[in-house]
Parts: sequence; C-alpha cells; structure tokens
Amino acid sequence: QQQVKQSPQSLIVQKGGIPIINCAYENTAFDYFPWYQQFPGKGPALLIAIRPDVSEKKEGRFTISFNKSAKQFSLHIMDSQPGDSATYFCAASYSGAGSYQLTFGKGTKLSVIP
Amino acid sequence: DTGVSQDPRHKITKRGQNVTFRCDPISEHNRLYWYRQTLGQGPEFLTYFQNEAQLEKSRLLSDRFSAERPKGSFSTLEIQRTEQGDSAMYLCASSLLWASGSYEQYFGPGTRLTVT
Repeated sequence: QQQVKQSPQSLIVQKGGIPIINCAYENTAFDYFPWYQQFPGKGPALLIAIRPDVSEKKEGRFTISFNKSAKQFSLHIMDSQPGDSATYFCAASYSGAGSYQLTFGKGTKLSVIP
Repeated sequence: DTGVSQDPRHKITKRGQNVTFRCDPISEHNRLYWYRQTLGQGPEFLTYFQNEAQLEKSRLLSDRFSAERPKGSFSTLEIQRTEQGDSAMYLCASSLLWASGSYEQYFGPGTRLTVT
C-alpha cells in the first residue's frame, strides 16, 4: 500500500520555468510534510517542509502548497535553473507513531534545460 | 563538516558474504535512522534508535540484518549472508528529539551496496 503518491515521474522545463510536483497522501494522521532534493550518488537533502496548519510556505525559490481537505501538497520551484536538475521526493510522517519515520513518494526526476 | 557521514561509500561483495556499514550522525542528535533506497524508488524506513535503544524495526528488516548504536553515537548496520536482493543504497539519517517532536531528518551520503 503506497501511502504517498507522487507525480509526475519525470519533468522537463526550460530555464526560468516553474516546475510543479504533486503529492497525495492517504493517512490523515500525517502531520509533517517535507520535500527532499537528491542528486545522483548523494543522499537526500531537506529542502523545505510544512505542517498541516498552514496552506503555503515559501523559502527562497521553493514554495509548498498544502490542501488538507484534498490530502494533497505540491512543490513549486520559481525561476528554475539548470542546477535545480535533480530528483525530488515528497514525504510524510506523523508524531503519533513515536518514530517520526518518513514515508516517501517514488520521486520526480526534474531536468531544467538552458 | 558537521553533517551525517557514512562509511564506506561503496561496497561490492559476493553473495553469501557479511557486510557492515557505519553511520556517524550529527553530533548531539539523539535519533538515528536507517533507510534503504533501491533504484528509482524513494527511501524506505528500516529501523531507528533513540540514543542507544533500538525502538522500532520495519518488516523489511529480515533476521539477516542487525543494527547497533552502542554508545548512542555512531551506528552500524550489518547484513549477514548477503543476497542479490540486498543491493541498494543504505541511507542513514539523524534528528534531534525536542519536546515538540522530532521532525527534521538529515541524511548522510549513503552506502551503495552491490551484491554479485
């Protein structure tokens, strides 16, 4: 059972474009939703995260939009650059489990072409 | 560098051999996690420690896998009698448990295991 569904699987945008990556979750107990960026051969790097009590969070060029009723959240990258080319993972966790273990989506491979 | 470190970065072994990986978390982080990532997939939770206590193990962690965190600092993950299906990236992450929770996890670079 996949608890976090991520789309699209891959995405190609022109430099300066605004790629949007979407995630949907099933477990309403989730209360923390981070996004990670991963370059080939590297570990995931925490990019930005949101709690369900806010609908949007912005950090630099990265914005998370959160829709609690639809159980969906998305990542927007403003003014995308070739250096943003990487695989992006959404994830979710909940405090009730005690472990705060992360459940990840399958990832979106983003390519930003000059 | 005060980030999470893992050693070795790459390991090639023959089926049936035992392997051990090491993770050094961010200093003063009291929680340490192990995840496994296969090609084209997101990381999957294996187990976690709070200080030296192993508090949860995923069903993915078969009895051939064992993890320790003897002094609440670094951790080791051992795989006995490796199988080709064990080929994956093994990721370590650490976090700090606050009174308000323990949400932000920071990952190391991973250990890429190839079983031939």
